[in-house]
Amino acid sequence: DGGITQSPKYLFRKEGQNVTLSCEQNLNHDAMYWYRQDPGQGLRLIYYSQIVNDFQKGDIAEGYSVSREKKESFPLTVTSAQKNPTAFYLCATEIGGAYNQPQHFGDGTRLSIL
Amino acid sequence: ILNVEQSPQSLHVQEGDSTNFTCSFPSSNFYALHWYRWETAKSPEALFVMTLNGDEKKKGRISATLNTKEGYSYLYIKGSQPEDSATYLCAFLSYNQGGKLIFGQGTELSVKP
Repeated sequence: DGGITQSPKYLFRKEGQNVTLSCEQNLNHDAMYWYRQDPGQGLRLIYYSQIVNDFQKGDIAEGYSVSREKKESFPLTVTSAQKNPTAFYLCATEIGGAYNQPQHFGDGTRLSIL
Repeated sequence: ILNVEQSPQSLHVQEGDSTNFTCSFPSSNFYALHWYRWETAKSPEALFVMTLNGDEKKKGRISATLNTKEGYSYLYIKGSQPEDSATYLCAFLSYNQGGKLIFGQGTELSVKP
């Protein structure tokens, strides 16, 4: 989606290291989401934020942290506590306030362990 | 735990074939059902958001139906083309999940010329 930029495209993490995945949007959407995809599984929600300075845990939040200091940005940190971080990570946005709107997705970041 | 199931997991068809696949979801507390198409090396793209029982939506050769009482949605592709090759995801939204979509594992469609 042209209005959502995820970086980097590929990321390698060493044991015990924290890494941060970036998600920036210029769609002026209120809600932002982080999903994780593993082979053969559906997208699983890690964290989401409906407004600035507020966020909630999703279904698999352990070992991850987020911040939402600006409307445009929702970075995801994969901490050393996440023992199995190898996966494909997708950021999504939604207008917010009306749940019958579609989500818009970035191109994703693939994280691997060195 | 809410569960969304898609079938089949993968499908291989010839160009020109029509095909359909299924998304099953909980029939209680229904709010919306989303369909997305995810082509390789691209980001998922929204196809439909369906909210009413009996809803039918169409986009070109792709259409979808919704039965909220029995908890299923069908996605149909008429006259499949190679460019339809993608993974098709459905996602369920219930009233009491605070805007959180629950995704199925997807149906991977391959259309051979």
